[in-house]
Formats: sequence, structure tokens, C-alpha cells
Amino acid sequence: EPEVTQTPSHQVTQMGQEVILRCVPISNHLYFYWYRQILGQKVEFLVSFYNNEISEKSEIFDDQFSVERPDGSNFTLKIRSTKLEDSAMYFCASQGTQGRYEQYFGPGTRLTVT
Amino acid sequence: RKEVEQDPGPFNVPEGATVAFNCTYSNSASQSFFWYRQDCRKEPKLLMSVYSSGNEDGRFTAQLNRASQYISLLIRDSKLSDSATYLCVVKAGTASKLTFGTGTRLQVTL
Repeated sequence: EPEVTQTPSHQVTQMGQEVILRCVPISNHLYFYWYRQILGQKVEFLVSFYNNEISEKSEIFDDQFSVERPDGSNFTLKIRSTKLEDSAMYFCASQGTQGRYEQYFGPGTRLTVT
Repeated sequence: RKEVEQDPGPFNVPEGATVAFNCTYSNSASQSFFWYRQDCRKEPKLLMSVYSSGNEDGRFTAQLNRASQYISLLIRDSKLSDSATYLCVVKAGTASKLTFGTGTRLQVTL
């Protein structure tokens, strides 16, 4: 069964450093998303991406964040200058173009900012 | 008012019990509804989509009441492996973001 993959599974970084989180969506999907979940809190939407551009973003997704689809398979989230409050699980999701338009999630990257 | 509201639980039930979770949503324009399950520190996994007519998948039954903006999930014959957090999720449009509730924690015991 096709699945979304994410790397790394865990990233530890110092405040102010740049991080890039990587995702490989399901191969025939065209809609891509990033969500985050701070420990003990609900899953929150960050950004959606379709046809090589951002289609929607939340207020969390400020100028420190960017997304890219550098090739036909990867989808990346970059945080330019990490803050302590960026520590969270970051989930990538992808969605196809048929049926119920369900979103499938990758296993997540745990980001720890020290 | 929260966009998606759920009772956080925990619901502690014995194996074999029937348990029901409820959820309300505030955006009347929501078009799609889902239940996801999340195990501790893992990704949300799609359990089932929720159709207007209600739908069943094995031991799981989901209902939607658009007039009341209310979604439910019924689990029959609970198994130990059903222990998880159940997330009520709504979506406004075809390619829209998912909006999550905080989840309801279920613990099934022997």
C-alpha cells in the first residue's frame, strides 16, 4: 500500500538554526500539506501546496517558514531560524484527486529546538 | 467557540464494551468529515470518512447530523487494540485543510 514517508524521524537543532524537513508524498497525489502537533495539543494546519504553489497557509506559517517541491517526488518544509516554540511533531500529508479526497499522513518528524 | 469540539475523555471501558464518541463543529460550510485514530506520538491514521447517510465499517459506525453540526463514532465489541485517541476532523472543501478536534482518548482494559 502506498504511503507517505518523512525524514528525518527526529531532528535536534539549536535555536536560530535552519532546518529542512523532507517528505515523499504518495506518488499519484497532487495536493500536499504540512501540519504540526505540539506535545499534548491538537494537530494544526500549517500550509497546503498544489500545482507548485501555496494554496492556503495558516497564521503560524510566517516568513520563517517556506515550502518547496524541488523535484517530482520530494516536498520540503524549511524553517529559517528556529525558535524554542517550533518544537513539535511535523506531519506531511498528501491527497489524491478522486473519491472522498482523503488525506494520508506520514509518520512525522519530531523537531526539538534547544 | 472551538471549530471542532470533542470530549477529551479518557473513556475507560472493558473489552467487549460498546463506546460512543461525539463531536460538534462550528463551520456550517464544512463539506467532508472524518474520524482519524492517533496512537501515542504517532501520525493520525484515517479510520473512516463520515457520510451524510451514516456508514459502517466492521465494528465502527459513524453518523453525521448536518442540521445539528454533530458527528458521532460508535465502536462495538471494543478490543484492547482500539486503545488510542480518536480525532474528529472536518474539511471545508475538496482540497482544503483538515481541522482537527483535540481528540477523545479511549483506553480498553481486560
